[in-house]
Amino acid sequence: GAVVSQHPSRVICKSGTSVKIECRSLDFQATTMFWYRQFPKQSLMLMATSNEGSKATYEQGVEKDKFLINHASLTLSTLTVTSAHPEDSSFYICSARDRIYEQYFGPGTRLTVT
Amino acid sequence: GENVEQHPSTLSVQEGDSAVIKCTYSDSASNYFPWYKQELGKRPQLIIDIRSNVGEKKDQRIAVTLNKTAKHFSLHITETQPEDSAVYFCAASSNNQGGKLIFGQGTELSVKP
Repeated sequence: GAVVSQHPSRVICKSGTSVKIECRSLDFQATTMFWYRQFPKQSLMLMATSNEGSKATYEQGVEKDKFLINHASLTLSTLTVTSAHPEDSSFYICSARDRIYEQYFGPGTRLTVT
Repeated sequence: GENVEQHPSTLSVQEGDSAVIKCTYSDSASNYFPWYKQELGKRPQLIIDIRSNVGEKKDQRIAVTLNKTAKHFSLHITETQPEDSAVYFCAASSNNQGGKLIFGQGTELSVKP
């Protein structure tokens, strides 16, 4: 089956710093990737849709200048959390969609901002 | 935009009993309805899905039904086992929304041995 990886799996950073999370589709080309955020005991909330070679589409209420998304190739999308604050601490999960519109989730990245 | 409501938020059953989780959606253009199982700290795992041209789909102990008119769909798990304990999410998507998934709030299922 299709495999999506994320790196890092866990990251701890200081308040005010930036953190980059990578999402890769390992064995298929993903024209579209999605980024979700999940707080403890809550559902997955879609943050943005990332299309290869174009600007990401952000969901209402998500700050595009704070959560920078780059989808530079058909196998890689990155999410950069800029000027991170403790309230940004969360579980960030990406998914990648293949050509028949199946979505495959990455293993997630646990971000802790101290 | 799409809104998905899921009930109940918690569900406790005895091993061997059936479990039913229900979801409603708001966007009549939604045409794909997957169900995910998520264990603590792990990624969501697709367990079954249904498309809008089908009313019911079954895979061993798991079944999903879809009522397009009422805009609701349900997950049925029969002969539950302790390893079925997890959080289950329903989701909905439509092609004209770029295929993005909108998730329900989740149901924490506990199967007691």
